[in-house]
Amino acid sequence: ETGVTQSPTHLIKTRGQQVTLRCSSQSGHNTVSWYQQALGQGPQFIFQYYREEENGRGNFPPRFSGLQFPNYSSELNVNALELDDSALYLCASSSHRGLGGSPLHFGNGTRLTVT
Amino acid sequence: QKEVEQDPGPLSVPEGAIVSLNCTYSNSAFQYFMWYRQYSRKGPELLMYTYSSGNKEDGRFTAQVDKSSKYISLFIRDSQPSDSATYLCAMSADSNYQLIWGAGTKLIIKP
Repeated sequence: ETGVTQSPTHLIKTRGQQVTLRCSSQSGHNTVSWYQQALGQGPQFIFQYYREEENGRGNFPPRFSGLQFPNYSSELNVNALELDDSALYLCASSSHRGLGGSPLHFGNGTRLTVT
Repeated sequence: QKEVEQDPGPLSVPEGAIVSLNCTYSNSAFQYFMWYRQYSRKGPELLMYTYSSGNKEDGRFTAQVDKSSKYISLFIRDSQPSDSATYLCAMSADSNYQLIWGAGTKLIIKP
């Protein structure tokens, strides 16, 4: 069983730039969620994708966007980067659609630094 | 006031001690409760998953939910240095409601 993998592991960008983060879900999982985790904080829900459709969104602006592909892998895109976007971005997959009732399987995240 | 409150610690205990980690919450609709463990530079790893009230035991770990007090606990018996990590609680009302996370408690087990 292949776990959740994310790339890249680290990234440094300049304010105003755009970034794309990638995630391969655990085999057999059709639902992918993205989270932002600031230092010393719990994860904050960005959005979830189920079978290539957005299935829910947290309190993040439209410059945070995503995609899910037919193989259930996913991308998170962030435009017009701001300093406050510096965080650990986590991808989590699950085998059931739904925002809150299913256990999540996380990747090790992408550490984004915006300077 | 945050929906889920968790003491950030750090909580430092000697090896072999029983550890108690707790979260309080304000939303009485929460019925799915989870505990995750997060090592430094890693993603969270699911430890315990509980629906509604009661206790659940898995090896050295026991999760308790007290919905009347809006309080959940994770107990770790015979704690080991490898248990040193940040422990996050997460909870939700139902599948249509996103998970709400605590900020995490940093646990240090001293050899």
